[in-house]
Amino acid sequence: DAGVIQSPRHEVTEMGQEVTLRCKPISGHDYLFWYRQTMMRGLELLIYFNNNVPIDDSGMPEDRFSAKMPNASFSTLKIQPSEPRDSAVYFCASSVQGAPHTGELFFGEGSRLTVL
Amino acid sequence: AQSVTQPDIHITVSEGASLELRCNYSYGATPYLFWYVQSPGQGLQLLLKYFSGDTLVQGIKGFEAEFKRSQSSFNLRKPSVHWSDAAEYFCAVGPTGRRALTFGSGTRLQVQP
Repeated sequence: DAGVIQSPRHEVTEMGQEVTLRCKPISGHDYLFWYRQTMMRGLELLIYFNNNVPIDDSGMPEDRFSAKMPNASFSTLKIQPSEPRDSAVYFCASSVQGAPHTGELFFGEGSRLTVL
Repeated sequence: AQSVTQPDIHITVSEGASLELRCNYSYGATPYLFWYVQSPGQGLQLLLKYFSGDTLVQGIKGFEAEFKRSQSSFNLRKPSVHWSDAAEYFCAVGPTGRRALTFGSGTRLQVQP
């Protein structure tokens, strides 16, 4: 079975540019999460969706960040305008409610963003 | 609010030696507990999880973890470490009503030949 697929794997951009990260969750999973990983702050939850609806976006750093999930198989995380402090690895994860995978997150390989 | 503490930022062990990675949690109810492993440049992979029942849980790659409610701990162990175990290990608790996991800061494991 295909896992969570993220693109691009690496992105280098200049400050002020728009960045769009993409995620395809595992088919049949009804939860989708966006996490950010940095050396200083570790893994932080940015936002998560249930059945394509944003449930909690309290972790989104500021208005420059936005996330959408137009359908069950696709989500985007957008940063506009990007800043050097946004440099991090962004992970998408999905999960399904109910046993045997209750609470278990399945992670993509991440998108490493570098903002110059 | 729930939280996870991994007191050891970096641990170095010799290949073949035993390993124990510490994890302490704070959670208002019976926790769901997880250990994930992250190899360089990769995503996080689930090693094992605890929901209820037997407090000693077995995972992949020869890892096990023991849930101790009285100590609010969920330490990860392996009797004999292999060089391929070098990675970063994350303990996590949840989900809460937010349905999301809260992760510890991670422990980086280095394995010496």
